[in-house]
Amino acid sequence: GNSVTQMEGPVTLSEEAFLTINCTYTATGYPSLFWYVQYPGEGLQLLLKATKADDKGSNKGFEATYRKETTSFHLEKGSVQVSDSAVYFCALRRNTGKLIFGQGTTLQVKP
Amino acid sequence: DVKVTQSSRYLVKRTGEKVFLECVQDMDHENMFWYRQDPGLGLRLIYFSYDVKMKEKGDIPEGYSVSREKKERFSLILESASTNQTSMYLCASSLEGYQETQYFGPGTRLLVL
Repeated sequence: GNSVTQMEGPVTLSEEAFLTINCTYTATGYPSLFWYVQYPGEGLQLLLKATKADDKGSNKGFEATYRKETTSFHLEKGSVQVSDSAVYFCALRRNTGKLIFGQGTTLQVKP
Repeated sequence: DVKVTQSSRYLVKRTGEKVFLECVQDMDHENMFWYRQDPGLGLRLIYFSYDVKMKEKGDIPEGYSVSREKKERFSLILESASTNQTSMYLCASSLEGYQETQYFGPGTRLLVL
């Protein structure tokens, strides 16, 4: 079946550090892949997406590349800020339109 | 701007009570969704609706029902709340079509005692 696995958190970084949050997936066919972010006390917001192999999604300095050969969609940012502290969810979309989410990774950035 | 609102941010109920969680979107979206969010499990789909009066079970529908009498409003109902339904509940909506982005509300944190 379809599933998404994220690295366990929490991830704690100092401001301006490099961020990687790993995400791998299992799916039949060619799903679209997403990263959502949940800031404290808020709902989820779409951060970026990629719809086919080798696509790179990017937004607010975050990037992720759809790697079909490794079934991965790792999230990266070159220099994190305190305001990036949040929970990050990787997700895939089945061809029915339903999303399957990973378990979420909490990022804490310290000044 | 896209807006999905949920009736309560925090709710405390007793075991056996009937609980209604309300979600309203102002974007004229056809699709609406209810998820629950639990630590270590991410979000799991409970029910979704692709049109007024239409509904379809998600991955964990047991113990829940839904109602969609108007396009903008999607209600999640716990017929007889149990402690294992203590969770964060998130509503989302999207335009018609499976490729559309889902927009989420702020969530309702429900505690069942």
